[in-house]
Parts: sequence; C-alpha cells; structure tokens
Amino acid sequence: GNSVTQMEGPVTLSEEAFLTINCTYTATGYPSLFWYVQYPGEGLQLLLKATKADDKGSNKGFEATYRKETTSFHLEKGSVQVSDSAVYFCALSGGDRSSGNTGKLIFGQGTTLQVKP
Amino acid sequence: EAGVAQSPRYKIIEKRQSVAFWCNPISGHATLYWYQQILGQGPKLLIQFQNNGVVDDSQLPKDRFSAERLKGVDSTLKIQPAKLEDSAVYLCASSFLRGSGANVLTFGAGSRLTVL
Repeated sequence: GNSVTQMEGPVTLSEEAFLTINCTYTATGYPSLFWYVQYPGEGLQLLLKATKADDKGSNKGFEATYRKETTSFHLEKGSVQVSDSAVYFCALSGGDRSSGNTGKLIFGQGTTLQVKP
Repeated sequence: EAGVAQSPRYKIIEKRQSVAFWCNPISGHATLYWYQQILGQGPKLLIQFQNNGVVDDSQLPKDRFSAERLKGVDSTLKIQPAKLEDSAVYLCASSFLRGSGANVLTFGAGSRLTVL
C-alpha cells in the first residue's frame, strides 16, 4: 500500500537558519501531497498542499514542490523563527490504484523542529 | 466557522476499563475520520465515515474498538476493554469532499488517553 517516509528528528536550528525536512512517498498512482504542522498542545493544521506533479505548495514562508521523478515533497523555509518550533507531518491522499481515492490521509512519522534564539 | 470539537481532552483509566470519545465535525462536512496517534508516531486511520456509513475500518481493532455516527453528524469512538497499548491521542477530523484530490481534512485538538 501507499506510504510516507520522513527524515528522523529532532531537527535543531538557530533562528534565521535554512530549513529542509525530507519527505518521500510510495504510491501506485498519483496522490495529492500535504504538510501538516502540530504546535505544542494543539491539533494538526494544514500547512500546505500540492495536487499534481511540479506543483509548489507555499504558506507562511514554507514551500514544498511535488517531484514525481524522485517521489519527494521536501519542506523548506529560508529563515526559521522560534515560533516555527513544532512537529511537521508529511502526508498523502489518494494515488492507490487498488483501493481508489477515499480521501483519507496517510502520514509519515513526523519530524520535530526545535528553533533556538 | 467553528472547528472540530472533541471531548474529553484528557482521560486516564485502568486497563480493562472502558472509555468513550466524542466528536462533532464542522457543519456540512459529510466525511468524518478517527485517527490514533501514538507518541512519536504519525496518526493512523482507525475508521472513516461518509455521512453515517463506514467507508474504511480496516485498521480498527474490532474486538475492542467500536465507532458510530448516528444521523451522519457527531460520532463516538469506544474502547472496551482498554489495553496499555491503547494509550495515545485520538484525533477526529472532518472534510467536505471524499474523493477529491484537493480533499483537506480539518482536525480537532484530540483526546489524550492514558491507560494504567
């Protein structure tokens, strides 16, 4: 079945550093891809999404590009802030030729980001 | 718009006891999901409803977990009897569309269960 793999955490950066969190996926078809963020004590929030190859999702200075050739959707930000400290989840929806698209999300294991002042 | 409401936020029980979690989705959202998030892992789908029908419950441990969505609105997830490994955060989410590639799930704050 479909799956998502993220880089291990925690990732610890200084404020204003460049961020990359790697995400790769396995799918039999062409899924939609998402990044969700979970701030301490809060629920999961959609950060950005991309629905087809070469699409770039962006929000709050974060970006990710849907790369079909490398089955990747890496999250990047040019200058992180302390307030970006959270757990980031890569997820996919659809793209399973055997079960069709029910709309459910399949998540990676999450990457914890700690940003120090 | 109001978000996805869940209760209780926290629950501590002894193993072999029972527990129930409640979820009220965003108004108008036909699809409702229950996810289990064990500490250090990504959320895993337990069950998905479309209106009051079950779309996917393949990962639900049916010997101890049950869920219902009467009248196609709010939903209850029950665990009976609970095991230590059921300690997790139970997330409810809802969405407007099911089969769309742009289907966006909105999550509640979650219900944290500790089984002692």
